[in-house]
Amino acid sequence: EAQVTQNPRYLITVTGKKLTVTCSQNMNHEYMSWYRQDPGLGLRQIYYSMNVEVTDKGDVPEGYKVSRKEKRNFPLILESPSPNQTSLYFCASSLLGSYEQYFGPGTRLTVT
Amino acid sequence: GQQVMQIPQYQHVQEGEDFTTYCNSSTTLSNIQWYKQRPGGHPVFLIQLVKSGEVKKQKRLTFQFGEAKKNSSLHITATQTTDVGTYFCAGPRSNSGYALNFGKGTSLLVTP
Repeated sequence: EAQVTQNPRYLITVTGKKLTVTCSQNMNHEYMSWYRQDPGLGLRQIYYSMNVEVTDKGDVPEGYKVSRKEKRNFPLILESPSPNQTSLYFCASSLLGSYEQYFGPGTRLTVT
Repeated sequence: GQQVMQIPQYQHVQEGEDFTTYCNSSTTLSNIQWYKQRPGGHPVFLIQLVKSGEVKKQKRLTFQFGEAKKNSSLHITATQTTDVGTYFCAGPRSNSGYALNFGKGTSLLVTP
């Protein structure tokens, strides 16, 4: 089944404790992206990648890092999480040349 | 900067009533996509519009792309409870490859 998976689905952590949210897709998509969703603010892009080793900043990249060492994986790294990073995070992927994005199930992160 | 705005933010209708959400971009778009997110779910791609003045239908859903390619609308005829969710439009961000700017979405509530 074609899908985007994210882990973990839920995470409660404390300020300053490094964490990684994994994202994997099995559709051989070149393009992958991370979004955060907050009430009243919609979906805001954090980082995106157009292929292996090619990443770029989205609208709200501060406090986040990404890497794209393999085509199928695009982990999101929070080196020192803060409470303002409490949010619902979505990973998405698509074929290059198509804007039809496939979203993962989401990761709800709470930073206390 | 480039913005995609959606109105209304919320809409509450009785089952059987029609519903329309509007999307406006500050810049001309090469294309526009619409996504639906059910409560507790992730965004799911509905459709992409590319041509000026394009109209596409999916059962009770009608999508339009404005002549100037700066606005779009989604109209649902005779809403059903299964239409509940948040509808997002998204347009390509200028000079950013395949990055998308999402509108903040319109949340639709349908009561029986």
